[in-house]
Amino acid sequence: GENVGLHLPTLSVQEGDNSIINCAYSNSASDYFIWYKQESGKGPQFIIDIRSNMDKRQGQRVTVLLNKTVKHLSLQIAATQPGDSAVYFCAENKGGSQGNLIFGKGTKLSVKP
Amino acid sequence: NAGVTQTPKFQVLKTGQSMTLQCAQDMNHEYMSWYRQDPGMGLRLIHYSVGAGITDQGEVPNGYNVSRSTTEDFPLRLLSAAPSQTSVYFCASSAALETQYFGPGTRLLVL
Repeated sequence: GENVGLHLPTLSVQEGDNSIINCAYSNSASDYFIWYKQESGKGPQFIIDIRSNMDKRQGQRVTVLLNKTVKHLSLQIAATQPGDSAVYFCAENKGGSQGNLIFGKGTKLSVKP
Repeated sequence: NAGVTQTPKFQVLKTGQSMTLQCAQDMNHEYMSWYRQDPGMGLRLIHYSVGAGITDQGEVPNGYNVSRSTTEDFPLRLLSAAPSQTSVYFCASSAALETQYFGPGTRLLVL
């Protein structure tokens, strides 16, 4: 069946360390993936995206890696800061579906000062 | 631009009552969607629209109706509220196929 899920529901890191949040997907037809950050009481905020024809994409302090062989997606946050504390969701857009995102359950990232 | 706005922020309903959750965007986006988010879970798609006059069902459409008479507005109607519809509702819009911008959410409690 189709599934977007996360390996770790919670992640605690020390301020300044790098964070890695993982996501698995099972729909090989998915051609676009997005990471969202959601702070308490707010709507999800776009962080970074990647298309299926890419393996890696970098933003400001964030990197997304896509491994299509094992259907795995990861978000790397460099020099994690207290402001990075939030729940992170991966989402996939199945090929041909417009505006139809399938979200994973989320990983809560806690940054210890 | 205000982006995506949602009203109300909070609502308490009794079982069987009906109501409409409002969503508006001022970015001239074609695509709009409604999601619900339950505790400890990700967002699940209720309904979405690819343009004015066009709507389609998502993953969990039962108990909800939508319409898209204008590009800007995409209201979500609960016909007869049930406790199972207690959730946080998010509206989103996008210009392209994928990058969606979310509103602040509406917290709904059905007693």
